[in-house]
Parts: sequence; C-alpha cells; structure tokens
Amino acid sequence: DTAVSQTPKYLVTQMGNDKSIKCEQNLGHDTMYWYKQDSKKFLKIMFSYNNKELIINETVPNRFSPKSPDKAHLNLHINSLELGDSAVYFCASSSPSGGAWETQYFGPGTRLLVL
Amino acid sequence: GENVEQHPSTLSVQEGDSAVIKCTYSDSASNYFPWYKQELGKGPQLIIDIRSNVGEKKDQRIAVTLNKTAKHFSLHITETQPEDSAVYFCAASKPHDMRFGAGTRLTVKP
Repeated sequence: DTAVSQTPKYLVTQMGNDKSIKCEQNLGHDTMYWYKQDSKKFLKIMFSYNNKELIINETVPNRFSPKSPDKAHLNLHINSLELGDSAVYFCASSSPSGGAWETQYFGPGTRLLVL
Repeated sequence: GENVEQHPSTLSVQEGDSAVIKCTYSDSASNYFPWYKQELGKGPQLIIDIRSNVGEKKDQRIAVTLNKTAKHFSLHITETQPEDSAVYFCAASKPHDMRFGAGTRLTVKP
C-alpha cells in the first residue's frame, strides 16, 4: 500500500548503457516529479508533469526523457549513461490542497551507480 | 528562478536542547513552505509546512515561522531527541515547482 513507489531501488550499470526507472503513485494525485539528489545531498528538480503534460523541464541533458503513460505513472529513461549521472533519483507526486498549495510526497529513491 | 538558501549546513545539539534552522527565498511568487526530514537511505518525509497567509505554525515539538516581507522562514525543534537526527530540508514552492535548500544535517547527542 505504498503511496509513491519506485523501481528498481538499486541500479548498477556501465557507462554508455540505457536504463529506465519507473514510478507509480496510488494517491490519486495529478502532478508527478523527478528529482536528482547528488552526493552532497542537494535535491534538484528535473521534471514535473501535470495531468500527463510536461510543466517543468529544468536544465537537464536531453539524454534524460520522462514518459507519463497515465496520471499514476512517471518513468524516467536515461540514454548513454555517464559517470556524472550517478546519484539518487526521487519521484514525487502532489495534488492541490485548496488554493495553490501543494504537498509533495516522495518515493524511496533509486540509487543509480554508473561504472 | 527561485533560490533557497539554508543555514547551517550542519548542527549538533545535546539531547533536550533546541535546534533552529533558517532559510531564505528569493521569489515572491512562492507561497508554500514545507520542511522535510530525510533519514539515511530513505526519501524526504514532510514534517511540517506553512502557507504564505500564516506567520507561524506549531505541531508538538516542531514549529515554523514565516516572514514574507523579509523572505525568511525557520524551523524550530524543541526538546530534541536522538531520533531527530537526520538531514532537514526547507523548500519554497509555487504551483508544480518546488525548490529545496541545500539541507542541514542535525545530530542530537544523547
């Protein structure tokens, strides 16, 4: 009954490979996000999707491509992985709770290590 | 774009003492200010939040204050316990767009 779930939890891969991370939320939220947390713990937004529509696309290499098949899922595909992509990737979801205030709920993270 | 600064980056207190973490933001359009606690190996968990139309909010040992004019907001934890040890993040948010501070690693020594 996990609210926001991500798979896989750990991902170890070689440089140059292509990989995907999946995210699902069962909260009925209409907005989903991807964040990257680097080794210094800094949390940086990468993308946000509202009702399957891309809202925010931060300065992220175009090797990263989010895909939202429906409101409950937001997957992240990464092409040609580089060493600098090693990080923890968090998915989150939110729904407006009156006015414009949105509480975001985070998944457990996917730890990506590129060798 | 929004820039959120958070201080201190590390904070060590004795059990029972209070801890204060401060943040500033730059974008006047931000109207929601959550605080998250992140324990080792886990995702950030919301602990308290404050909306732009409120100056302060308290939930048991945790309180937040917001000064919209100065664009400052703070987290206060009283009677700290060892289980409060974690990384704490402030954030400033407008619709679909939340920006985090760099985090504060809080250590509560028994």
